[in-house]
Amino acid sequence: EAQVTQNPRYLITVTGKKLTVTCSQNMNHEYMSWYRQDPGLGLRQIYYSMNVEVTDKGDVPEGYKVSRKEKRNFPLILESPSPNQTSLYFCASSFNDGAYEQYFGPGTRLTVT
Amino acid sequence: QQQVKQSPQSLIVQKGGISIINCAYENTAFDYFPWYQQFPGKGPALLIAIRPDVSEKKEGRFTISFNKSAKQFSLHIMDSQPGDSATYFCAATNSRFRRGSARQLTFGSGTQLTVLP
Repeated sequence: EAQVTQNPRYLITVTGKKLTVTCSQNMNHEYMSWYRQDPGLGLRQIYYSMNVEVTDKGDVPEGYKVSRKEKRNFPLILESPSPNQTSLYFCASSFNDGAYEQYFGPGTRLTVT
Repeated sequence: QQQVKQSPQSLIVQKGGISIINCAYENTAFDYFPWYQQFPGKGPALLIAIRPDVSEKKEGRFTISFNKSAKQFSLHIMDSQPGDSATYFCAATNSRFRRGSARQLTFGSGTQLTVLP
């Protein structure tokens, strides 16, 4: 089954404790992206990657890091989480880039206290 | 600055009614306008999309209407059903221009639709 998986689905952590949210896709997609979803703000892009070792900032990259060492994986790293990073996070992938259908993961609900 | 403005924020419709969600954009270079549907606890999924060379696209009960001169597009859900209750996002991108980086989707703020039985 073609899918994007994220782990964990739910995470509660404390300010400053480094965490990683994993994302994996099995569709051999070149493009992968991270979004955060906040009430009234919709989906805002954090980082994206066009291919292995190629990443770039989206609209809200501050406080986040990413890496793309393998085509299928695109982890999101919060080196020092803060309460304003409490949000619902989605990983997505597509055949080429944002001009094509994006397939979203199930989401990760992060709470930073 | 939000480049795609979506309204209303929430919408309640009776079963069998018509649901209408509106979006307006500012960037005249946008030429691909998808709508994504998100059920509770799930990620968004592509519902329907339109390019500005047509004024309307219909897929089943879902129709996108596009007004290029007004820079507006809308989603119409005919004969709305309780199973349509979800959050709907409009989005836009410039599908032809790539300046050394990927083309990005700009999303609207979302509309939470509730269809009453």
